[in-house]
This record gives sequence, structure tokens and C-alpha cells, in this order.
Amino acid sequence: EVQLVESGGALVKPGGSLRLSCAASGLTFGRFSFSWVRQAPGKGLEWVAFISGPSTFYTKYADSVKGRFTISRDNAKNSLFLEMNSLRAEDTAVYYCVSSNLYYYYMEVWGNGTTVTVS
Amino acid sequence: EIVLTQSPVTLSLSPGEGATLSCWASEELSSDYLAWYQQKPGQVPRLLIYGASSRAPGIPDRFSGSASGTDYTLTISRLEPEDFAVYYCQQYGNSPWTFGQGTRVEIK
Repeated sequence: EVQLVESGGALVKPGGSLRLSCAASGLTFGRFSFSWVRQAPGKGLEWVAFISGPSTFYTKYADSVKGRFTISRDNAKNSLFLEMNSLRAEDTAVYYCVSSNLYYYYMEVWGNGTTVTVS
Repeated sequence: EIVLTQSPVTLSLSPGEGATLSCWASEELSSDYLAWYQQKPGQVPRLLIYGASSRAPGIPDRFSGSASGTDYTLTISRLEPEDFAVYYCQQYGNSPWTFGQGTRVEIK
């Protein structure tokens, strides 16, 4: 069974930084691409960032986070990361780690999420 | 950016009734790269449909998706109690990937 477990969410002040991690199991990590998707309290889903696989990575970002957030992955450790800088109140949300296959980027498997509060 | 507009915002129906949810894209999607997700209160979103009409593994056949130009439809043939939830469409053909604002299917 594929499992994605996020960690690193916390309460942080505006302007601060945070690094989210996602540990994956039950899949051949390098054969998947990944995204971070967030959901502000009581709101809908917002795609945040994407990273391709397996070895030549390219990344994409939502305009709302471009230049502030960086997505990365470590295939040797089956891990995905999201480095978040210059955090704003509007970044407050549950952040989900989501897997997609290498070629079609629908959001196949979702982690349970980690909560980031900027206040 | 492709904007996805879902309608209605809320759908009030009884168990056993059929549901039709719409998602309109502001421009044509690459190869019908559109997915539908279900999110129940306090739960993680779940993939229902990808490629506009392909059911994800384990999804009951009462869920079906279709496409006509820039109009996409999720149909639930007969609502079961566990189907009352919020449904989102999402396009993954053009970056940035975008979601619709959601349709809440509630018990009438």
C-alpha cells in the first residue's frame, strides 16, 4: 500500500521559514512525480508545486509561491521536500504531499497533510 | 492560467437520486487532462476520475465522467449515504494545474 507521510508543519511568524518533508513508502519512489497541494481553513484545494521524476527533474510552481517556495526530492531517501521562505498569513493551510505517475499528473495518492500556520 | 468553474455550488439531493456536477474550463484542455476528486469532511481528497472519464482503481461504477468541448461532467447515478461530500475538478494539462472551487453535495 502506498503511504505518504508529511511532517514539518508548525506555527511560524510572518516572514519566517519552514521546511516540509514527505516520506513515501510502498512505491518505487523514483518512478513517480510529486506535487504539494494546500487547503486553507474552510477553503478549496490549491496546487502549490510540482517536481518530475525520475532523474532529470523539472519543477513548476503556482504564481502565489514562485520565488518563495522550493520543491525538491531525494530519491535515495524516498523523500519529498518543500522549502518555504518569506511566509505570509495567506500561506496558512494544510499542506498535502501527492503522488502522480511520470506522464499524467492527476493527483493519485494523497498524504494526510501537515498544518502550517503563519501568525 | 486555465480557470475551472464548477456548478452548482451546492446540490441538495436525497439518497438514491442521481447527481450531475459540472466543470467548465476557460480554455480547451490538453487531451482532456481533467480529474475529479471527492473530499468528505475531515478527510483527505480522493481521486475518482482521471482523463475526464477513466475511473480510478476501486471507485464504484456509479461514478462516471464525461467531456464535451470545455464542459466536463461528473455523474453519480444513485447517491449512496457515503457520497455526500465536496467534489473538485482539476486540470493537469497546462501549468499551473488548477482546481475548481468545488461542489458540495448535501443531503436534502
